[in-house]
Amino acid sequence: NAGVTQTPKFRILKIGQSMTLQCTQDMNHNYMYWYRQDPGMGLKLIYYSVGAGITDKGEVPNGYNVSRSTTEDFPLRLELAAPSQTSVYFCASSYNSPSRKLFFGSGTQLSVL
Amino acid sequence: AQKITQTQPGMFVQEKEAVTLDCTYDTSDPSYGLFWYKQPSSGEMIFLIYQGSYDQQNATEGRYSLNFQKARKSANLVISASQLGDSAMYFCAMRDLTSYDKVIFGPGTSLSVIP
Repeated sequence: NAGVTQTPKFRILKIGQSMTLQCTQDMNHNYMYWYRQDPGMGLKLIYYSVGAGITDKGEVPNGYNVSRSTTEDFPLRLELAAPSQTSVYFCASSYNSPSRKLFFGSGTQLSVL
Repeated sequence: AQKITQTQPGMFVQEKEAVTLDCTYDTSDPSYGLFWYKQPSSGEMIFLIYQGSYDQQNATEGRYSLNFQKARKSANLVISASQLGDSAMYFCAMRDLTSYDKVIFGPGTSLSVIP
């Protein structure tokens, strides 16, 4: 199993550009999450999803959009990139196990210049 | 609203000693779960331990134990017999089990193990 796969690993954007961060999982997890982590800080929840077709805002949703058309994929869309969106983005997934733990992708390092 | 507080930005511990990392949380939900994750300098997120709000006993996983005090809303991580490889950032997180399983993280504690 590949687990949670994020692409790309690194990306540089110019101010005002748009892009989609891809996240896919092959564990048939129903819950998926997007976080951003600024240097030296904790993870902030951007959006999350409890299953295909159902998404909800997290702590810092402004400037981002998501969709969940399949169980496997949970892409994060950045519209009109701004320097404040420079961060490391993590995608995570989980299922209804007793431990409820999140499985994380390896992250995407995004710089907006 | 949910909130996680970790009041120790940085901690030092001597190798082979035990260390406690503090975590307090705030939620109005009756059913929730608490996690600890480790993030070494390489950046990956490593799951350490989980405690459910209705679990009767404190969780343990090897050298990690979670000191869960529900009335005080605290979920401190205890690492016994610290090793050099324990040097990392440690994050406390909370999962809301009553409403769409939202998961939020605290600001983290940087742990340095001294030889």
